[in-house]
Amino acid sequence: QQQVKQSPQSLIVQKGGIPIINCAYENTAFDYFPWYQQFPGKGPALLIAIRPDVSEKKEGRFTISFNKSAKQFSLHIMDSQPGDSATYFCAASITGAQKLVFGQGTRLTINP
Amino acid sequence: DAGVIQSPRHEVTEMGQEVTLRCKPISGHNSLFWYRQTMMRGLELLIYFNNNVPIDDSGMPEDRFSAKMPNASFSTLKIQPSEPRDSAVYFCASLRGGSYNEQFFGPGTRLTVL
Repeated sequence: QQQVKQSPQSLIVQKGGIPIINCAYENTAFDYFPWYQQFPGKGPALLIAIRPDVSEKKEGRFTISFNKSAKQFSLHIMDSQPGDSATYFCAASITGAQKLVFGQGTRLTINP
Repeated sequence: DAGVIQSPRHEVTEMGQEVTLRCKPISGHNSLFWYRQTMMRGLELLIYFNNNVPIDDSGMPEDRFSAKMPNASFSTLKIQPSEPRDSAVYFCASLRGGSYNEQFFGPGTRLTVL
């Protein structure tokens, strides 16, 4: 019940396309859902996060869509660029508990 | 701020040797996490500390792994004896209390056990 399932494992999109990465969880106590971005040779870094009181959050070209009833959330990248090529991790947590449960990661490649 | 600092960045050792990885969290952060990343298993939480006290070590794979945090600015992860299956990238991350769970990751230590 502590797992976060992420798909797809890898994704290739042409520049300007809209890659979508999906995550699903079981634990209804989760109330914080961040996405981390990791470039080769670097540690993951927080990209964007959402709480379940909203269904969507946008920051620049990155959007999280959240479906509380389905226990699913997804990351969309608008007008994708080759510089967005990275590994993306979704995660979930409970407020007050520092521990994050990470998905397996999606390796995204944006072709020029 | 310098961010989370990890050393060494790369470590190559032979099976059976002791390995010590080091981490300096961001000043003022009171929680510290050790993760292991592999292609097969993704990003796994090994152990985390809050105010220098180990809170959850359920991810530590076996007794060969140990972690300490003697003070707020330093932590170590030790593997003794090391095995080839321990080869991975080990990340340290820190978090400031009340910051809504944003963890700041270090650059990682790439460990290769021959």
